[in-house]
Amino acid sequence: NAGVTQTPKFRVLKTGQSMTLLCAQDMNHEYMYWYRQDPGMGLRLIHYSVGEGTTAKGEVPDGYNVSRLKKQNFLLGLESAAPSQTSVYFCASSRDVTYEQYFGPGTRLTVT
Amino acid sequence: GQSLEQPSEVTAVEGAIVQINCTYQTSGFYGLSWYQQHDGGAPTFLSYNALDGLEETGRFSSFLSRSDSYGYLLLQELQMKDSASYFCAVRDLGYGQNFVFGPGTRLSVLP
Repeated sequence: NAGVTQTPKFRVLKTGQSMTLLCAQDMNHEYMYWYRQDPGMGLRLIHYSVGEGTTAKGEVPDGYNVSRLKKQNFLLGLESAAPSQTSVYFCASSRDVTYEQYFGPGTRLTVT
Repeated sequence: GQSLEQPSEVTAVEGAIVQINCTYQTSGFYGLSWYQQHDGGAPTFLSYNALDGLEETGRFSSFLSRSDSYGYLLLQELQMKDSASYFCAVRDLGYGQNFVFGPGTRLSVLP
């Protein structure tokens, strides 16, 4: 099992550019999440999904969109990148709503 | 609303015991989780307390008291590899049922 994988691992964008981050999991988990982590801080939930075809807003959803067309994939889109979106982005998945989340290795995004 | 508080840094020596506290203000939540994150790495799950009391997993134990709005992670027989950041987290019933992570506690284990 690969667990949770994320692509790309690193990316540099110019302000106003768009991009999509891909998250894939092979554990047949229903729940998937996108977080951002800024230096010295905890993780903040951007969006999450409780199953294929569903999405919901987290704590900091502005400037991001998501889609869950297939159960194993969860995409995070930035339509017009801003320097404030410079961060490390983590995807996670879980079997149920209660506790254990499995995290991907992260994507380090810099917006100049 | 929701808020989780943790000490920003803790330092201890190899072989010692350290306790990392987490206090919270939330109207209700499913349970308290703990995650470990090494520098440059991804968070990994350590423990979960659905009910009040102590949960033990090897060298790590976690405690929850809902009446005191308080929990802690206890690390015993500290090893150098335990140097990492530790985060408490809850799924807050009153905040759109979002997962909320604390700011993290950086543990440094000295030889």
